[in-house]
Amino acid sequence: GAGVSQSPSNKVTEKGKDVELRCDPISGHTALYWYRQSLGQGLEFLIYFQGNSAPDKSGLPSDRFSAERTGGSVSTLTIQRTQQEDSAVYLCASSLAIGGADTDTQYFGPGTRLTVL
Amino acid sequence: GNSVTQMEGPVTLSEEAFLTINCTYTATGYPSLFWYVQYPGEGLQLLLKATKADDKGSNKGFEATYRKETTSFHLEKGSVQVSDSAVYFCALVSSGTYKYIFGTGTRLKVLA
Repeated sequence: GAGVSQSPSNKVTEKGKDVELRCDPISGHTALYWYRQSLGQGLEFLIYFQGNSAPDKSGLPSDRFSAERTGGSVSTLTIQRTQQEDSAVYLCASSLAIGGADTDTQYFGPGTRLTVL
Repeated sequence: GNSVTQMEGPVTLSEEAFLTINCTYTATGYPSLFWYVQYPGEGLQLLLKATKADDKGSNKGFEATYRKETTSFHLEKGSVQVSDSAVYFCALVSSGTYKYIFGTGTRLKVLA
């Protein structure tokens, strides 16, 4: 079956521009997560969705970052007025649900590599 | 707060050597523990997991045992192959929560 997909796979933008990153989770997965992976760093948790709700947005690095999810499926991560330090790989993951041991496993997309010039 | 500490890489081994990548954690309650692998140019994939103390996760010849007494989840493989070259991430999630905590990753390079 289809896995988690992300688009675009690569995005090069100029400093100050806005970008939108898209994530299509596995069908039926209610939980969706966004992470950022910077060069030489581990995964930095950004935000998660349970259905269309994002109960905790405290992982977002600044108010230039926002995310939404519609229809309990597709999610978009928007970065406004991009800065060079936003350059990273943005990863999306989904899981069946949150809380049960058998449902904790996350399935990751291939990521979007964002480069801000 | 919860945290995961992995040994720093890169780890360079010859083919058929024994592999250990150390992972220790700090967490409240009883977290689930995971190893994810990222092959060159690919996304993260779940390698194995364990959800309670003394559980052993295994897959593709890799094993890790959930040791609550030492708060560890070390990854081992008896005989590595060139195709095992990748970055390995240890991670945890506390039951009933959403926040996955990942280690910084350990790069493994296996030479023929």
